[in-house]
Amino acid sequence: QQQVKQSPQSLIVQKGGISIINCAYENTAFDYFPWYQQFPGKGPALLIAIRPDVSEKKEGRFTISFNKSAKQFSLHIMDSQPGDSATYFCAASWGGNKLVFGAGTILRVKS
Amino acid sequence: GAGVSQTPSNKVTEKGKYVELRCDPISGHTALYWYRQSLGQGPEFLIYFQGTGAADDSGLPNDRFFAVRPEGSVSTLKIQRTERGDSAVYLCASSSRGGILAGELFFGEGSRLTVL
Repeated sequence: QQQVKQSPQSLIVQKGGISIINCAYENTAFDYFPWYQQFPGKGPALLIAIRPDVSEKKEGRFTISFNKSAKQFSLHIMDSQPGDSATYFCAASWGGNKLVFGAGTILRVKS
Repeated sequence: GAGVSQTPSNKVTEKGKYVELRCDPISGHTALYWYRQSLGQGPEFLIYFQGTGAADDSGLPNDRFFAVRPEGSVSTLKIQRTERGDSAVYLCASSSRGGILAGELFFGEGSRLTVL
């Protein structure tokens, strides 16, 4: 049973464009929602994270939008760059013990 | 080392053999996690250690999988009677916090296991 559903599976964006990746969850006990970035042959690395008491968090070109009532959250990458080409995973946790990950989105930014 | 270290980086074995995968976490990190990542999928939780004890092993798929962390630092994931379906990248992660806040997980580069 997939606890975090992520879409799209893949995404192609022009350099300078906005990349948007969406995630939905069912478990209302989730209290921490991070996004991880993974390059080929590497482990995932934390990009940005949010807790459900805020609706938006911005760090540089990366923004998480969180909709608690809809049980959805999304990652926006502004001014997308070729170096942003990677696989992105949304994740969620409750009680702080472990993360459950979405299936991933392969992002390709065309120069 | 500065990051999470996993060995071997690649392991090819035959069906039915026993394998051990090692993880050396970031120094001082008390929480250690094992995940499994199949091709085109997100990491799948296997087991979580807080110190020497397994705080949550609910993700281990069956009794062929076992993990230890005897001194609260290095951990070994052990797989008995390997099957072709065990082929995946096994990721280890550590965190300075656990139990209350997952915080940031620092992942290693993984051990790629191929079972022929």
